Amino acid sequence: NAGVTQTPKFQVLKTGQSMTLQCAQDMNHEYMSWYRQDPGMGLRLIHYSVGAGITDQGEVPNGYNVSRSTTEDFPLRLLSAAPSQTSVYFCASRGTSDTQYFGPGTRLTVL
Amino acid sequence: QKEVEQDPGPLSVPEGAIVSLNCTYSNSAFQYFMWYRQYSRKGPELLMYTYSSGNKEDGRFTAQVDKSSKYISLFIRDSQPSDSATYLCAIIYSSASKIIFGSGTRLSIRP
Repeated sequence: NAGVTQTPKFQVLKTGQSMTLQCAQDMNHEYMSWYRQDPGMGLRLIHYSVGAGITDQGEVPNGYNVSRSTTEDFPLRLLSAAPSQTSVYFCASRGTSDTQYFGPGTRLTVL
Repeated sequence: QKEVEQDPGPLSVPEGAIVSLNCTYSNSAFQYFMWYRQYSRKGPELLMYTYSSGNKEDGRFTAQVDKSSKYISLFIRDSQPSDSATYLCAIIYSSASKIIFGSGTRLSIRP
């Protein structure tokens, strides 16, 4: 099993550009989520999904969109990047055991 | 008031010392308690998981939960330089709910 994979590992965007962060898991987990991690702020939940076709907002959803067309994939879209979205983004998935597995992260810089 | 409070540190101790990391939480409905370890530039990984009051041991690590005081702790015995990382506490209401993370404590073990 590859676990949770994320691409890209690093990305630099200009203000106003859009992009999609990819996340995939091969553990057949129903629950997937996206977090951002900023210094002193811990992990903040952006969006989450409890299964294919079902998504919901987390703590800091503004400026981000998600979709869940398959169990395996949970992409995060930045509609119009802003410097405030400079952060490290983690995707995670969870099965019935409550153990949450994290991906390696994407470091995003918005200029 | 944040749902989970954690001292951000940094905490620096000599090799071999006993380390105590702590979190407090505000909602007595929380049922599951976890500790994650995050090395620099990596995703968090689950270290300990418990759902009851009392102690749970795993090698050099002991997780302690006091539901009456809404207080959780992680103890590391015989600390090693390889334990240097950020430690995040996490709590959830139930299997179907979101995980709430503390802000993390940065720990450094001096050789």
